[in-house]
Amino acid sequence: NAGVTQTPKFQVLKTGQSMTLQCAQDMNHEYMSWYRQDPGMGLRLIHYSVGAGITDQGEVPNGYNVSRSTTEDFPLRLLSAAPSQTSVYFCATNPRGKNSPLHFGNGTRLTVT
Amino acid sequence: EDQVTQSPEALRLQEGESSSLNCSYTVSGLRGLFWYRQDPGKGPEFLFTLYSAGEEKEKERLKATLTKKESFLHITAPKPEDSATYLCAVQARDSGYALNFGKGTSLLVTP
Repeated sequence: NAGVTQTPKFQVLKTGQSMTLQCAQDMNHEYMSWYRQDPGMGLRLIHYSVGAGITDQGEVPNGYNVSRSTTEDFPLRLLSAAPSQTSVYFCATNPRGKNSPLHFGNGTRLTVT
Repeated sequence: EDQVTQSPEALRLQEGESSSLNCSYTVSGLRGLFWYRQDPGKGPEFLFTLYSAGEEKEKERLKATLTKKESFLHITAPKPEDSATYLCAVQARDSGYALNFGKGTSLLVTP
């Protein structure tokens, strides 16, 4: 049982490049989400999904795209990377319902030059 | 607008020196308040959920309390391994699954 697995752990991109951050979970959690963490700011919600085929925007969705074709995977796509997207990205899942705590992966540190 | 403010931003304690971290919040109907611990290079790790004013939860040297406006994380006789960033988050009744996080308190416990 690996929990929430994020890949890669580190990535450097040039402005304008695209990439996909991967998030996989083996806990059969319905809810999955992406947060970004920046120095001096709290974790901010980018996108989330309440189940396969269902996604919605969070607080800071611009520049990011998501899809949820399976329960296990929730990739985050950067279509054209910008320096403002330099951040640490966390995937988080929720096991049972709205009152349950989020389970976080260990993050992907992204630098856009 | 929901807001979460944590204080202090950073705290340095000697081993065994008890203290408290504060999380002040404004939310339009609280569903739950969450405390997480985050170690460098890792994702946040869940500690506690509090749902209503007056509620308290304990785990080893940590005790979390909740009022209508704030929550405290009390650390009793801390050890160096308690060094981490502690995050507070609130969930509003009308926010779905989303959590609104504070900026965190960075705690350093020295031997």
